[in-house]
Amino acid sequence: AQSVTQLGSHVSVSEGALVLLRCNYSSSVPPYLFWYVQYPNQGLQLLLKYTTGATLVKGINGFEAEFKKSETSFHLTKPSAHMSDAAEYFCAVRDFGAGSYQLTFGKGTKLSVIP
Amino acid sequence: DGGITQSPKYLFRKEGQNVTLSCEQNLNHDAMYWYRQDPGQGLRLIYYSQIVNDFQKGDIAEGYSVSREKKESFPLTVTSAQKNPTAFYLCASSLPGGNTGELFFGEGSRLTVL
Repeated sequence: AQSVTQLGSHVSVSEGALVLLRCNYSSSVPPYLFWYVQYPNQGLQLLLKYTTGATLVKGINGFEAEFKKSETSFHLTKPSAHMSDAAEYFCAVRDFGAGSYQLTFGKGTKLSVIP
Repeated sequence: DGGITQSPKYLFRKEGQNVTLSCEQNLNHDAMYWYRQDPGQGLRLIYYSQIVNDFQKGDIAEGYSVSREKKESFPLTVTSAQKNPTAFYLCASSLPGGNTGELFFGEGSRLTVL
């Protein structure tokens, strides 16, 4: 079964600094990969996804992620953090090897932005 | 606008009572899901349904029940058998089959047991 590991349950960055949120997955075949964002007491919103093709994926709000098959990673980055980026971020994987439509989620990383 | 509507947003329940959380979607998606979210635990799958009148247990189905009588609706009942029901519940939907599997989420329902 696939699994998703997000390194760091809490990450703090200064406003204007680089944001780097780490995600590693285990999967028997190249998966589809997703990053979602959640603001307090709200649902999850898709930031970006990797399916096939270009391994550097650009999403909303200036975020991007790169699929690195050799490292089984899909880290999320943003060059300059804004106060509005403070939220919880979830990495998810869909593993076609299981023939399932389900996504497996990581446990999330809460991002704090310091003024 | 198309989307997923969950109600109520906040719900309080006494121990021993069953409660039903509503989830309605107008995205014309075939598949629907219920997740439970606890702090530091991520999202855990309770039940999912890929088609009307059919549903499957997820990882933590004990103490929960669902129905799927209409494509648009997938209500979740939290029964008195659920030992620790206080949590944030999220409903989601997706296109099935060859689609990417991307999930679309509702705004969530927060259940507190008093």
